[in-house]
Amino acid sequence: AQSVTQLDSQVPVFEEAPVELRCNYSSSVSVYLFWYVQYPNQGLQLLLKYLSGSTLVKGINGFEAEFNKSQTSFHLRKPSVHISDTAEYFCAVMAYSSASKIIFGSGTRLSIRP
Amino acid sequence: DSGVTQTPKHLITATGQRVTLRCSPRSGDLSVYWYQQSLDQGLQFLIQYYNGEERAKGNILERFSAQQFPDLHSELNLSSLELGDSALYFCASSSGRLNTEAFFGQGTRLTVV
Repeated sequence: AQSVTQLDSQVPVFEEAPVELRCNYSSSVSVYLFWYVQYPNQGLQLLLKYLSGSTLVKGINGFEAEFNKSQTSFHLRKPSVHISDTAEYFCAVMAYSSASKIIFGSGTRLSIRP
Repeated sequence: DSGVTQTPKHLITATGQRVTLRCSPRSGDLSVYWYQQSLDQGLQFLIQYYNGEERAKGNILERFSAQQFPDLHSELNLSSLELGDSALYFCASSSGRLNTEAFFGQGTRLTVV
């Protein structure tokens, strides 16, 4: 079974400051890793995903994440945030198999202060 | 637009009633997932169907059931509704073949009064 832990429920940050949203996972098998974003009153949208290869993954809107197998982490980063990044961010895992379910973390609410 | 369509967008109903939520997956996607999102429980996986068959079950109550039809659309049936069932219900779909990404619909907001 897989599980995901998002260590911070809320992260306040000033506009143009850097941000890191933390995610740790647990799994007995190899997994794919994802970050999704949910803007207010919207569905979830994929930000980026790690499948294999380079451990640094770049996504949309200037976000990137680094897969660290030894620490079982997949932290999301952005060097300079904008007011429009205000949203809830979900880390997720999916086991390496066909038609496997996706397990989400509890989410981190990112609030940007002007 | 993710290509996943959920209807209705909003639903208000009374306790004890039964409702049906509908999801049309992206064209060609065989897997459909249902999730419940509430303030206290977060994003909870309910159930997954793959090409018409139940594939995985999560925290789905016995009062809830789902099915996936031959045309691959799915319905989530919620019965004997309680106030605590008020939530946003999301459907997502993926190709199901070494799928690496799920696409989410906009959700159905259910309010039980």
